[in-house]
Formats: sequence, structure tokens, C-alpha cells
Amino acid sequence: GEKVEQHESTLSVREGDSAVINCTYTDTASSYFPWYKQEAGKSLHFVIDIRSNVDRKQSQRLIVLLDKKAKRFSLHITATQPEDSAIYFCAAHSNYQLIWGSGTKLIIKP
Amino acid sequence: GPKVLQIPSHQIIDMGQMVTLNCDPVSNHLYFYWYKQILGQQMEFLVNFYNGKVMEKSKLFKDQFSVERPDGSYFTLKIQPTALEDSAVYFCASSPGGNNQAPLFGEGTRLSVL
Repeated sequence: GEKVEQHESTLSVREGDSAVINCTYTDTASSYFPWYKQEAGKSLHFVIDIRSNVDRKQSQRLIVLLDKKAKRFSLHITATQPEDSAIYFCAAHSNYQLIWGSGTKLIIKP
Repeated sequence: GPKVLQIPSHQIIDMGQMVTLNCDPVSNHLYFYWYKQILGQQMEFLVNFYNGKVMEKSKLFKDQFSVERPDGSYFTLKIQPTALEDSAVYFCASSPGGNNQAPLFGEGTRLSVL
């Protein structure tokens, strides 16, 4: 079946630095890529998404890049803050369902 | 804002018993989903549901699992009988459309099978 690979299982950055989380997908037909944030013991919260008609999208400190040729997309968090600490999941839409990455635990060090 | 509500937040049952997990999706949403997550690991898709029918289900959606949404009430996931490996957090989600729209997730029901 189709897969989404999330390359960093854990990422540690200093507060104020940027964090980058990378995902690759297998379904060439995927056209929608959301990102979710999950804080410890809580549910998933949508943070940002990108559709395949664009290759970049920004919402405040979050930037998503999409490279359709390489079937790769990434989440960039600029000027990281302690409250950015969480697990981030990427996903790609494929055949009525979202295929999920395995999650990246982002740790923001003071 | 709109919310997906899940009831109960925690359920403890003995292996072999039946359990029903309830989800109250956002009122104008048409697509409903169940996901399973073990110990903060990867979200695993179970099933999605539209217009009274299962659209897609994964291999994790065993024969002991069933979903329904009778007369626009709760969207339910029933497990009968339960097994130890069913212990997990089950998340319900809903979205207005099927494609290109991020589902909104509930807070999850933690199921403990003893």
C-alpha cells in the first residue's frame, strides 16, 4: 500500500532556532498534505496544510514546502518557542484516507 | 470553534466483553473516521464512513469491529468481542468533504482491555 515516511523520529533545537521536519510519500496522485501537532496526552490539532497546486505555503511561523517531483514535503518552524514542543505528524491524502507519517518528537531546548 | 466530542474519555473492560465508543462529529460534516493510536505512536487508520456506508477500511479493522451512525446520532465504533491488543486510544475525526480537507479530531477514548 501507499506510505508516508517521516524521517526524523526526534528533533532537538534551541529556542529561537528553526526546526525542519521532512516527509516523503509514495502515491503520485496525492494532492493534499496536512500537518498535525500532538501535545503529550492530547489529541491531534491541525496546524497547516498544502495542496499540490502550490509549492510553498506560510502561516505565521510555519512554512510548508512541497516538491512533487521528489514526492517530498517539509514543515519549517521558524523562531521556535517552548510551546512548539510536541509530536508532529505529516500525512498525505490517498484514496479516501490520510496516510500518516510515524511522527517527529520536537524538543525545544532553552 | 466546532468540536468533535468523544464519550467516554476512558473505558476499562474485561477481555471478551463488548464495547461501544461514541463520537459526536461536527454537525455539518459528512465524512467520519476512526483511528487507533498506541502509546503516542503512529496514528493508524481504521475506517472511514460516508453517507451511511464504510468507504474504506484498513487491515486493522477486524471482523470484530463495526461502525454505524443511526439516524444522524452518534458515530459509533463497536468492538465485539474485545481482545487485549485492542487496548489503545481511539480517535474519532470528521471533515466536511472527503478530499483535500483536514479532518477535525476528537480528544480520544482510552480503551483498556484487561
